[in-house]
Amino acid sequence: AQKVTQAQTEISVVEKEDVTLDCVYETRDTTYYLFWYKQPPSGELVFLIRRNSFDEQNEISGRYSWNFQKSTSSFNFTITASQVVDSAVYFCALSGNNNAGNMLTFGGGTRLMVKP
Amino acid sequence: GAGVSQSPSNKVTEKGKDVELRCDPISGHTALYWYRQSLGQGLEFLIYFQGNSAPDKSGLPSDRFSAERTGGSVSTLTIQRTQQEDSAVYLCASSLFRGGAITDTQYFGPGTRLTVL
Repeated sequence: AQKVTQAQTEISVVEKEDVTLDCVYETRDTTYYLFWYKQPPSGELVFLIRRNSFDEQNEISGRYSWNFQKSTSSFNFTITASQVVDSAVYFCALSGNNNAGNMLTFGGGTRLMVKP
Repeated sequence: GAGVSQSPSNKVTEKGKDVELRCDPISGHTALYWYRQSLGQGLEFLIYFQGNSAPDKSGLPSDRFSAERTGGSVSTLTIQRTQQEDSAVYLCASSLFRGGAITDTQYFGPGTRLTVL
C-alpha cells in the first residue's frame, strides 16, 4: 500500500521568511511519481510539480524549490522569501507504477499561513 | 485552453435525496478521476475512467455511489439516498494517458461542495 505523510499540519511564518514543507512517502513500487499541489482559499487544487522516481535532481522554479531524496523517501518543498499570496494548503501526492490507473494518494496537507 | 469544469459549484440537499455532480474534463484528456475531500478523511480517490475501458470503481465508499462517462468526455457522479456523511467537496481531475511507466499530471476542477442536511 502507498502512504504519504505530511507531519506539519499548520505552519505560520512572517512574510519574507523561508519555509520548508515536509513530505515523506511509502511505496513498494519501483517506479513512481511524486507531486505537489497548492489549494488556495478558493478551493481549486493547483499543480506545482511532478517528479519521476528516477530523477533525483533538485528543482528550482522562482521562489519554489524541491528536494527529492530517495534514501529517506522524502520530497520536501521550500518557499524562499514567502509572500502572503503563498498562504494555502499544500498537498504532497504519490502515484506508483503498480497502480494501473495512476490515481493519486495524498498526504493530509500542510496549511501555510504567511502573515504580513 | 479551458481547464476542468464542474457543476454545480455548491449543492445543498436533504438526507435521502439523490444528487448528480457533473465534470467536464480538459479537451483531449482521456483519463478522468473523481476524488472526495472531507474533513475527516482528507483527499481520497473514488473512481477512474480511461477511454472506453471499464472504470476502476475501487474507491467508491458504498453502492449508493456510481459514475458514468458519456462519449469519453463528460462524467456524472451520482449519489443515491444521500447521507450526512456524504457531505464533502467532490473534485474531478483529468489527464492525458500515455500508459506504461508514465504517469501524467492530473489537473483538477474547482470542485462541487455538497452539503447534506
